[in-house]
Amino acid sequence: DAGITQSPRHKVTETGTPVTLRCHQTENHRYMYWYRQDPGHGLRLIHYSYGVKDTDKGEVSDGYSVSRSKTEDFLLTLESATSSQTSVYFCAISDWREQYFGPGTRLTVT
Amino acid sequence: GQQLNQSPQSMFIQEGEDVSMNCTSSSIFNTWLWYKQEPGEGPVLLIALYKAGELTSNGRLTAQFGITRKDSFLNISASIPSDVGIYFCAGPGNQFYFGTGTSLTVIP
Repeated sequence: DAGITQSPRHKVTETGTPVTLRCHQTENHRYMYWYRQDPGHGLRLIHYSYGVKDTDKGEVSDGYSVSRSKTEDFLLTLESATSSQTSVYFCAISDWREQYFGPGTRLTVT
Repeated sequence: GQQLNQSPQSMFIQEGEDVSMNCTSSSIFNTWLWYKQEPGEGPVLLIALYKAGELTSNGRLTAQFGITRKDSFLNISASIPSDVGIYFCAGPGNQFYFGTGTSLTVIP
């Protein structure tokens, strides 16, 4: 298994509160990604990173920000959580040809 | 974004049967990936294909990289109950593009 961990694995939060999800890798891969997975939508890219401090937006980036200060860590922040951000969030890493996923974080915004 | 078309959408099969699914794209890919996702877990990479015409196996799973580079196929032989899950294809481009998924149910 690729060395990817996500924390927390489950979180319940209230609308309007800030939330940060963490992804940690031990593979030293250059690329890291955040996806959300919702029924009927499959995996949708939120943000990705192609190096330390280098990030770019995906197709559903509104309401999310990311930071990557170290190769191994990629943080996803919801500045002010909304109910529409209730989802399962997956981090992934890539050497470009292959992509490996973390175990996921189930986030519920009430 | 670009989406890969995967079929069938779902399959209900008897234990012991073989399974076939495919993935097609309007664009050429240089790599095809096949994943399995079980409920409550992250997708797990099963097979990676790098060359047109390539046939690669992983246990009872066999995947092929189509000659046109616009399609790929996954076969599972002699299915067992633990094969249950959603299988999807993916290909890297400007980002990674994912298939719509095939939900497999194996009836004991």
